[in-house]
Amino acid sequence: GAVVSQHPSWVICKSGTSVKIECRSLDFQATTMFWYRQFPKQSLMLMATSNEGSKATYEQGVEKDKFLINHASLTLSTLTVTSAHPEDSSFYICSANPAGTGNTEAFFGQGTRLTVV
Amino acid sequence: GDSVTQMEGPVTLSEEAFLTINCTYTATGYPSLFWYVQYPGEGLQLLLKATKADDKGSNKGFEATYRKETTSFHLEKGSVQVSDSAVYFCALRPFVTGGGNKLTFGTGTQLKVEL
Repeated sequence: GAVVSQHPSWVICKSGTSVKIECRSLDFQATTMFWYRQFPKQSLMLMATSNEGSKATYEQGVEKDKFLINHASLTLSTLTVTSAHPEDSSFYICSANPAGTGNTEAFFGQGTRLTVV
Repeated sequence: GDSVTQMEGPVTLSEEAFLTINCTYTATGYPSLFWYVQYPGEGLQLLLKATKADDKGSNKGFEATYRKETTSFHLEKGSVQVSDSAVYFCALRPFVTGGGNKLTFGTGTQLKVEL
């Protein structure tokens, strides 16, 4: 099946620094990728839809300037958490759908555990 | 808006016990329904899906039937194993003309299977 890889799997950073998380589709092209945030023992909350070659679409309540999304190619989307604070500590997961196939299965990355100290 | 409601966990079962995890949804039209499984420290994996009413999705001994009349998609397995211990998420994707893949997730149900 299709593979989506996230990097890093986990990261610890100091408060005030920025962290970049990569989401790659390894064996397919994806015009659209999704970024989710998962709090402990809670569901996944969609943060934004990443569109290749255009601006991301953010969900209500998500700060665009804090969570920068770039989808520069058909196989890579990045999420940068800027000026991270302890409350940004969470599990971030991306998903991607093969391009040109309409409503199809979403493939998820393994997630990135961010801890801000 | 769309929503998914799952039974709260954790659910603790003995090996070989019967499993049911309830899931109901609210959505307009005919959404597609999914069950995802998340093992500790990992991302989500699709377990099974159903795209229209009365469809039954099945995989690895798990099954769920899309019930339009009760807006439900309950997950069942006849005999669970320790290796089934994970968090299970019910999700829906609205039917959107021209495509679209936003998923709405339930809160997840943790399953613990003991020997």
